[in-house]
Amino acid sequence: QKEVEQNSGPLSVPEGAIASLNCTYSDRVSQSFFWYRQYSGKSPELIMSIYSNGDKEDGRFTAQLNKASQYVSLLIRDSQPSDSATYLCAVIGADNFNKFYFGSGTKLNVKP
Amino acid sequence: EPEVTQTPSHQVTQMGQEVILRCVPISNHLYFYWYRQILGQKVEFLVSFYNNEISEKSEIFDDQFSVERPDGSNFTLKIRSTKLEDSAMYFCASRGQFPTDTQYFGPGTRLTVL
Repeated sequence: QKEVEQNSGPLSVPEGAIASLNCTYSDRVSQSFFWYRQYSGKSPELIMSIYSNGDKEDGRFTAQLNKASQYVSLLIRDSQPSDSATYLCAVIGADNFNKFYFGSGTKLNVKP
Repeated sequence: EPEVTQTPSHQVTQMGQEVILRCVPISNHLYFYWYRQILGQKVEFLVSFYNNEISEKSEIFDDQFSVERPDGSNFTLKIRSTKLEDSAMYFCASRGQFPTDTQYFGPGTRLTVL
C-alpha cells in the first residue's frame, strides 16, 4: 500500500506571502507526482505535475521533488485569497500507472 | 475545452436500492477512473478501466460495485445495494494513453443514501 501523507492544516498565510505545502510518500518506486487543488464541494483540478528531481515552475507555482527523501512540495508565490482551497498530493507508481494515491490534503487559507 | 461530465449531480436513494452513476469521459481518452470522497475525507481510488476491462481496483470496490462502458461514450458505476456508508461524492476521471497524461476529473455526483 502506497501511503501519501500531508499535513491537514489549515495553513494560514497573508496575501502576497509564499505558501509552502508538503507531501511525503512511502513507495520508493513512485515515479509521477501531482498537485491538485480542490475547492469546497468541487472536483480536484490539476495544478502541477512533476516527474524528475528538482524544481518545476509554472507561473506562481513551483513543484519540488526529492525522490531520495521521498518528498514533494508545492510553493505558491504571491498568494491570493482565491488560492484558498485544499491542496491534494497524488502519486502513481512505476509498477501500476492506473492507480492514483491521494493524500488527505492540506487546507490553505490566504488572508486578505 | 473538452471536459468530463457526470450525471446526475445529486442522487438521493433509499438504503438497499441500486444506483447508476454516469460519466462521459473526454472523447479521445483511453483510461477511465472512479473515485470516492466521503465528506471531509480524502479522495479514494475505486477502480480504473482500460480497453473495456477493469485494470485495477481497490479494496473498497467489492462485489456491490460494477463498472461498464455500454457504448462509445458513457462510463457507468453501479452500486447494487446501497448502504448508508456509500454516501459520498463520486468523481469520474479520464486520461489519455500515456502514464504522464493529465487525469481530468468530472464535477462529481453527490450520492445520499437514506
